[in-house]
Amino acid sequence: DAGVIQSPRHEVTEMGQEVTLRCKPISGHNSLFWYRQTMMRGLELLIYFNNNVPIDDSGMPEDRFSAKMPNASFSTLKIQPSEPRDSAVYFCASTPGGGGHNTGELFFGEGSRLTVL
Amino acid sequence: GESVGLHLPTLSVQEGDNSIINCAYSNSASDYFIWYKQESGKGPQFIIDIRSNMDKRQGQRVTVLLNKTVKHLSLQIAATQPGDSAVYFCAENPPSYSGGGADGLTFGKGTHLIIQP
Repeated sequence: DAGVIQSPRHEVTEMGQEVTLRCKPISGHNSLFWYRQTMMRGLELLIYFNNNVPIDDSGMPEDRFSAKMPNASFSTLKIQPSEPRDSAVYFCASTPGGGGHNTGELFFGEGSRLTVL
Repeated sequence: GESVGLHLPTLSVQEGDNSIINCAYSNSASDYFIWYKQESGKGPQFIIDIRSNMDKRQGQRVTVLLNKTVKHLSLQIAATQPGDSAVYFCAENPPSYSGGGADGLTFGKGTHLIIQP
């Protein structure tokens, strides 16, 4: 079975440019998460969706960041305009559950490494 | 706010020896804990979880111990192999989070396990 698929794997862009990261969760999973990973701050939850609805976006750094999930098989994380401090690895993860006390087994994608010059 | 932290950023062990990775958590209300493994260039991968009504749980070559009295979590890896080289994260889930399970996970910064030949 295919796991969580993210694209692009690597992105190098210049400050001020728009960046769009894409994610295809595992088929049948109801919850989707976007994380950011840096050496300084570790893994930070940015936003998560349950049944395509954003549940908690309190981790989104600022208005430059936005995320959408138009259907159960696709999500995007957009940064506009990008800044050097946005450089990080962005992970998408999915899990079958949603409400209630479910397993914490998140299935992560391989990540998108973003470098903003 | 409260956070999850690790005692040792790097742990070096001989191949074949047992490894113990420690984690201190500070939210005494957390009732669910997870260990993840992240290999270089990949996303985190679930290893094992434990709920607060248990103090020990075993998997294949791994054991997680939970000491709620001192808010301490550990991951024991038996007979370490080169493939065990990775960064290991503990994560906690406080019960106040609406969905429980994965949606409230807070990750520690990780311990880098190095296996010496």
